[in-house]
Amino acid sequence: LAKTTQPISMDSYEGQEVNITCSHNNIATNDYITWYQQFPSQGPRFIIQGYKTKVTNEVASLFIPADRKSSTLSLPRVSLSDTAVYYCLVGDPRRDSSASKIIFGSGTRLSIRP
Amino acid sequence: SAVISQKPSRDICQRGTSLTIQCQVDSQVTMMFWYRQQPGQSLTLIATANQGSEATYESGFVIDKFPISRPNLTFSTLTVSNMSPEDSSIYLCSVARGTEAFFGQGTRLTVV
Repeated sequence: LAKTTQPISMDSYEGQEVNITCSHNNIATNDYITWYQQFPSQGPRFIIQGYKTKVTNEVASLFIPADRKSSTLSLPRVSLSDTAVYYCLVGDPRRDSSASKIIFGSGTRLSIRP
Repeated sequence: SAVISQKPSRDICQRGTSLTIQCQVDSQVTMMFWYRQQPGQSLTLIATANQGSEATYESGFVIDKFPISRPNLTFSTLTVSNMSPEDSSIYLCSVARGTEAFFGQGTRLTVV
């Protein structure tokens, strides 16, 4: 399982775009990049997943360069409710295989201010 | 998606006792995962529970301390045995569905 490195914490203000970068130099060919969000007293929640280039959904965008050794989670126009811990995970998400276990890194604690 | 129910949501236990945490999933899954999250920390995988076989434990976790049952494809239990204050954590169960992982709300355990 590829190790990930991401900033321990970030601060921003409401209405700003926030970009959280994750490094994963040892990513394997079958690995996907997945981001989870965790609010206090809740389990992590899936945000977005990608393999290469760019993925966008209603919550965020995920940018992955050609070498796939890093990725950037982009949150457009954040609000106070986006204050949470964001985890970047790299692994093979095949269904029902031992490879589907998820190993969490330290995560990025994002604080949004008014 | 997957709906995961954990019981209890929280408990305060005396040291030396044991607590069994239940995890119920709304549909059948082959593997269930148990995590521990200590205060202010990330999640640490304890073990993977397959139906019909013994759980597979991660380094630093042993079956005597964290016995796991997996009697069917929708249910699992994790027992925290002979508890000490260092076991005070949030314990979460998780399942994989497609390429996503889903988590229960967690069980907040305080050992006094």
